[in-house]
Amino acid sequence: GAVVSQHPSWVICKSGTSVKIECRSLDFQATTMFWYRQFPKQSLMLMATSNEGSKATYEQGVEKDKFLINHASLTLSTLTVTSAHPEDSSFYICSAKKPPLNLQQYFGPGTRLTVT
Amino acid sequence: KQEVTQIPAALSVPEGENLVLNCSFTDSAIYNLQWFRQDPGKGLTSLLLIQSSQREQTSGRLNASLDKSSGRSTLYIAASQPGDSATYLCAVIANTGTASKLTFGTGTRLQVTL
Repeated sequence: GAVVSQHPSWVICKSGTSVKIECRSLDFQATTMFWYRQFPKQSLMLMATSNEGSKATYEQGVEKDKFLINHASLTLSTLTVTSAHPEDSSFYICSAKKPPLNLQQYFGPGTRLTVT
Repeated sequence: KQEVTQIPAALSVPEGENLVLNCSFTDSAIYNLQWFRQDPGKGLTSLLLIQSSQREQTSGRLNASLDKSSGRSTLYIAASQPGDSATYLCAVIANTGTASKLTFGTGTRLQVTL
């Protein structure tokens, strides 16, 4: 199998605070993980590619100082939304590639972030 | 820049009907194309993956085809059921290896009624 989990599944935070979202590959080691965000009734937009042991690669228009990504182990990547604002409210989904083929990405269940 | 479009944006059909969802992409230099299902408030479930060398893939009542030269893929669902109600997303991968990225389509929201 290839199971990816996310924690928490939903979180509410106050404007100005930071929140951390975890993405774990449960039954495989992933050198590469991806972070997406999805606004209501819209498709997924890639935010960044998370590489184990190195800095994340951010997509154009994504603020790397606001969305901090850490991929400290082969099974865990974290996304920290710093100084969150209501416009950061969204559905955040991670995915991971399973070696050795790395043929497809396996997606986590998503995290619903609401900033009040 | 790769752009992926899905038509229709929404579809409502009675139970038992066969249906076709369409996906088009602007850059035909793709490596894979993948179809996903997303239930409301949930993550993605992979349905079918078609490699660029393949023309179709089948899984149960689902059949996906790929025409790279015309930049199109279709997802055929046979004998639709209410449990098929969900949003269906197609996504293309431009490169191989760990750095390859998925570009998602706009999605088709399907409702199958009793």
